[in-house]
Amino acid sequence: QSVLTQPPSVSGAPGQRVTISCTGGSSDIGAGYDVHWYQQLPGTAPKLLIYDNNSRPSGVPDRFSGSKSGTSASLAITGLQAEDEADYYCQSYDSRLPGSVFGGGTKVTVL
Amino acid sequence: QVQLVESGGGLVQPGGSLRLSCAASGFTFSDYYMSWIRQAPGKGLEWLAYISGSGRTIYYADSVKGRFTISRDNPENSLYLQMSSLRADDAAVYYCARNLPTAWGWFDPWGQGTLVTISS
Repeated sequence: QSVLTQPPSVSGAPGQRVTISCTGGSSDIGAGYDVHWYQQLPGTAPKLLIYDNNSRPSGVPDRFSGSKSGTSASLAITGLQAEDEADYYCQSYDSRLPGSVFGGGTKVTVL
Repeated sequence: QVQLVESGGGLVQPGGSLRLSCAASGFTFSDYYMSWIRQAPGKGLEWLAYISGSGRTIYYADSVKGRFTISRDNPENSLYLQMSSLRADDAAVYYCARNLPTAWGWFDPWGQGTLVTISS
C-alpha cells in the first residue's frame, strides 16, 4: 500500500483537461515537503515531469502543471494528446522513514 | 549528457544474493545523493535506499533493511546495491536515480532499469 494516494485511472478526450490528485499526510506533504511528478510511458523508465510542486524541467510542455495545498497535490494536463497516455506518479518525502514515498500511480487514458 | 546505466540483474533462487551496479556519467558523481527504486511487475514505484555523496549517510526502506546494502565508489562513478536473502516479492525492475537537490528532493535522471527475477 502506497503512502501517497492517487486515483488508479483517469481518462479524457483529446483536447480536454484532466487532473490527478495525490493525497498524503502530516509527515510528508503536510509537513511541508515538496511534491514531484513523473511520467512513465509503457516499457520505459519514469521521467521527471514536475518538480517542487509546480516547476517544469526544460522540454516538458506547458500543458503540464502542478499545484500543492495542505496535505495534497495535483497534476493537471490541459489539451490532452494521445502521446500523454501513460502512468503518472507523485513523489514526496516522509520524515518518519526517513525516505522518499510514491503514490500508487494513475493511468491516463486518452479516449 | 547526464546518464545512468544499471547492470547485474538476472535470475536468482529464493534466498540467494545478487549485486546490482549503476554506472554514472556526465556529472560530478560525488556531489550527489543517489537512490535505488524498484517496480514490481504491473505495480507502482517503491523507493528502497539512498546514499549521500560521501557515502556517510545511508537510509533504507523497511522492506529491505537488513537484507540490502547500498554503496558507492566515487572514483569509479558507480553505485551498487547488494541484495541478499532474496524473496519472491523482491522480483522487480530496479532503477538507480540521482537525487536533486538533496535526499528529500526529486529523482532525475533515472537509469533504464535492470530486471531481477526470483525463481527456483
